[in-house]
Amino acid sequence: DAKTTQPTSMDCAEGRAANLPCNHSTISGNEYVYWYRQIHSQGPQYIIHGLKNNETNEMASLIITEDRKSSTLILPHATLRDTAVYYCIGSGAGNMLTFGGGTRLMVKP
Amino acid sequence: ETGVTQSPTHLIKTRGQQVTLRCSSQSGHNTVSWYQQALGQGPQFIFQYYREEENGRGNFPPRFSGLQFPNYSSELNVNALELDDSALYLCASSTLDRAYNEQFFGPGTRLTVL
Repeated sequence: DAKTTQPTSMDCAEGRAANLPCNHSTISGNEYVYWYRQIHSQGPQYIIHGLKNNETNEMASLIITEDRKSSTLILPHATLRDTAVYYCIGSGAGNMLTFGGGTRLMVKP
Repeated sequence: ETGVTQSPTHLIKTRGQQVTLRCSSQSGHNTVSWYQQALGQGPQFIFQYYREEENGRGNFPPRFSGLQFPNYSSELNVNALELDDSALYLCASSTLDRAYNEQFFGPGTRLTVL
C-alpha cells in the first residue's frame, strides 16, 4: 500500500466547505485512493474512492491530481456531524487497508 | 440489506485467557478483514479471509487466528491474551470480485484485558 501523509488536524466552520489534503506520492498505477472517516468510538465509515478521475457521491467529492501524487477530499457543506478523523489510504486489489494517523477535522459552529 | 454486525460489544478477559469475536458480513460480500485499533491510533490490519481461506496477514503473531464460514461470517480468535491486546477489534466486509472494493466496517468489539 502507498504511504500517505495528512495534516494532523484541521478546523472548519459549519456550513463551509472542508478541504482535506492527502499526499500519496508513492502510489502505484493500480492502487486506488480511498477515504474513510471515523467518528469517536465507532467503526470507520467508507466515504469515497478514485483511481485517476475526480469522483463525487452524496457524501463528498474527491479531486485527484493528474500525476496522482496527491488528492483532496471535499465536504461541500460541513456540519457538526462531520467532526471525525479522516483517513486517506492508497490500496491495491487486495484492499488490505493501511491506516495512518489521519486528519482530525473539527467542525465549529 | 443488513450491515456488518459484531458480537459481543464489550468483553473483559484476564491475561492468559482466550477470546473469540464474531462478525457477520454484509449481504453479497465474500471477504472479511479484521483490524485492531489501540486507543488513539488508527486501525491495524490483522488478516483477511476470502471465500473461507486466509488471503493476507498483517504483522500479528500466530496466537491471532481466524475462520470464515460458508455464509461468509467470520471469527477472530486470540489465545494467551496479553495486556497489550486491549483494543477495539473491527471487522470489515467487502467483495474481491472487482479491481476495487470498498470495505464496510462493523461497530467493533471493545476488548479489555486485565
